[in-house]
Amino acid sequence: GIQVEQSPPDLILQEGANSTLRCNFSDSVNNLQWFHQNPWGQLINLFYIPSGTKQNGRLSATTVATERYSLLYISSSQTTDSGVYFCAVSSYNTDKLIFGTGTRLQVFP
Amino acid sequence: EAGVTQSPTHLIKTRGQQATLRCSPISGHTSVYWYQQALGLGLQFLLWYDEGEERNRGNFPPRFSGRQFPNYSSELNVNALELEDSALYLCASSLEGVRETQYFGPGTRLLVL
Repeated sequence: GIQVEQSPPDLILQEGANSTLRCNFSDSVNNLQWFHQNPWGQLINLFYIPSGTKQNGRLSATTVATERYSLLYISSSQTTDSGVYFCAVSSYNTDKLIFGTGTRLQVFP
Repeated sequence: EAGVTQSPTHLIKTRGQQATLRCSPISGHTSVYWYQQALGLGLQFLLWYDEGEERNRGNFPPRFSGRQFPNYSSELNVNALELEDSALYLCASSLEGVRETQYFGPGTRLLVL
């Protein structure tokens, strides 16, 4: 089945810094989503982005489907950005979302 | 517009008992998905229901089962609970199909003693 790898596994930033999170996947995808899981476990949908580029405030994402990777950019990070960021994909051969292992982000004031 | 809701928020059971978890999707969504997030194991796909039918299931034993009702809400049942079933169970909904954006509920934390 499709494999999903995220990097880095952990990221520690000071408030105001920028960061880039990466998601590599092993097959063509028909769905790719980025999520933020807050400390209470809630998964917040950030982007639906199987291809192309999207921006939402301080966050943006780019998926290069032909090269099988996606990037999540966080600019001017805030303490509320702390949590775990997951990439999840489904491929044309699987009827389910496969989650990466996540990037744990900690932002300190 | 109301999001995905789940109940209960927390559930404590003993080994061997049965647990029932409930999920109400976003209005207009016909697909409901269940995921398990156990400590150290990441998010694992459990089940996908659409239009009352089970469309796909993950690599879990048959004691994990569920159903979807005519109003598209869903139940997840876990029989013969084992200690390792302790986890956060997340429900998501989408318009029909896995290609659509999935929106998640707040989860049910199940603790098996």
